[in-house]
Amino acid sequence: DGGITQSPKYLFRKEGQNVTLSCEQNLNHDAMYWYRQDPGQGLRLIYYSQIVNDFQKGDIAEGYSVSREKKESFPLTVTSAQKNPTAFYLCASSIGPQVPGANVLTFGAGSRLTVL
Amino acid sequence: GDSVTQMEGPVTLSEEAFLTINCTYTATGYPSLFWYVQYPGEGLQLLLKATKADDKGSNKGFEATYRKETTSFHLEKGSVQVSDSAVYFCALSPRAGGTSYGKLTFGQGTILTVHP
Repeated sequence: DGGITQSPKYLFRKEGQNVTLSCEQNLNHDAMYWYRQDPGQGLRLIYYSQIVNDFQKGDIAEGYSVSREKKESFPLTVTSAQKNPTAFYLCASSIGPQVPGANVLTFGAGSRLTVL
Repeated sequence: GDSVTQMEGPVTLSEEAFLTINCTYTATGYPSLFWYVQYPGEGLQLLLKATKADDKGSNKGFEATYRKETTSFHLEKGSVQVSDSAVYFCALSPRAGGTSYGKLTFGQGTILTVHP
């Protein structure tokens, strides 16, 4: 079955450490997204990529970095510059820009990061 | 900028009760509107969507009508079940083409708990 796989499901980090969250999709989607979820605040967009080797900042990109070297993969690095990294991180994908269904997102199961 | 406002939660209902979760939006033009559902410990799943004024989205007994005049997209279900307990998110995506097309703006989410 096609879908999005996020790993790890739970991650603990000490202050000052960088961590990388994995996101892999086998849906053949061109576009991929990273959202952050905090209680009572909904989802906020961190970064998105519409095509391989290209990505753009979302609303809360500070302290995060991404890469898009392969169509299937869109890893997110939470750097030590992120002041409040404890959150639930969701990866999503969509078929691609400017085509029918471009705004329908498929989500992974999420990764919960806790900073100790 | 675009924004989505949902009714405050949590919402607690008895099985077979009628459900309404209010959602209003602010956006330019004619956005597409969505309801996503998140079950405990999981990512978001698309519940239903509507792409133009007066469209009714429906799925699994849930319905929502795109009301341009009141900028609303309220979610309703005539008889809820325990299995409907989840967090519900209202979202919009801008109508314009280009790279913003797949970027969704989410409401803060409404927690629904249904008791037997």
